[in-house]
Amino acid sequence: DTEVTQTPKHLVMGMTNKKSLKCEQHMGHRAMYWYKQKAKKPPELMFVYSYEKLSINESVPSRFSPECPNSSLLNLHLHALQPEDSALYLCASSHKTPFYNEQFFGPGTRLTVL
Amino acid sequence: SQQGEEDPQALSIQEGENATMNCSYKTSINNLQWYRQNSGRGLVHLILIRSNEREKHSGRLRVTLDTSKKSSSLLITASRAADTASYFCATEGGTGTASKLTFGTGTRLQVTL
Repeated sequence: DTEVTQTPKHLVMGMTNKKSLKCEQHMGHRAMYWYKQKAKKPPELMFVYSYEKLSINESVPSRFSPECPNSSLLNLHLHALQPEDSALYLCASSHKTPFYNEQFFGPGTRLTVL
Repeated sequence: SQQGEEDPQALSIQEGENATMNCSYKTSINNLQWYRQNSGRGLVHLILIRSNEREKHSGRLRVTLDTSKKSSSLLITASRAADTASYFCATEGGTGTASKLTFGTGTRLQVTL
């Protein structure tokens, strides 16, 4: 299985809602990533988990809260988002060697904040 | 931002022609990777070139890396309509748990019949 799956595919939420994005992989990868991508822009790294521990937080606002319950799952909890947070949210995973890491991406969750 | 720059921003060619995209970056790297993204979907890894390599081939893809100029190019030969997508270079820097990818601005490639 060489897939990274993400649910839901689309999400519309109000600014007062709480929702979660889910990501799953069964490739035995021990590094997992969240990216945010605005239209016609490159992906921007948000968080990196390495061996289920948060290793990089790119100064992301606290209304985004990541969680890695086990080596196959990655969640992104959303609360009190702003309309400018509307974007495609991509999850990725990779082997955790020191470097030379090809990343495998999921199809993304398209988030709209009203 | 440590983001790399790619040029051209957009490229339109006919099927069968070659497409060349260029990437420049700012910091020292462990490797440079190229990804393809079809409209609004996930990214697909194409090729990785290590910092001590100068050229790499994979099928119709040829990648070069010049670390002295901090630049790379991706050549797609004999392009097909299915190659229509956005192409991003990404540099990997840092070590261990701090290793991460930084994506370039991207090139939108349109291949017409």
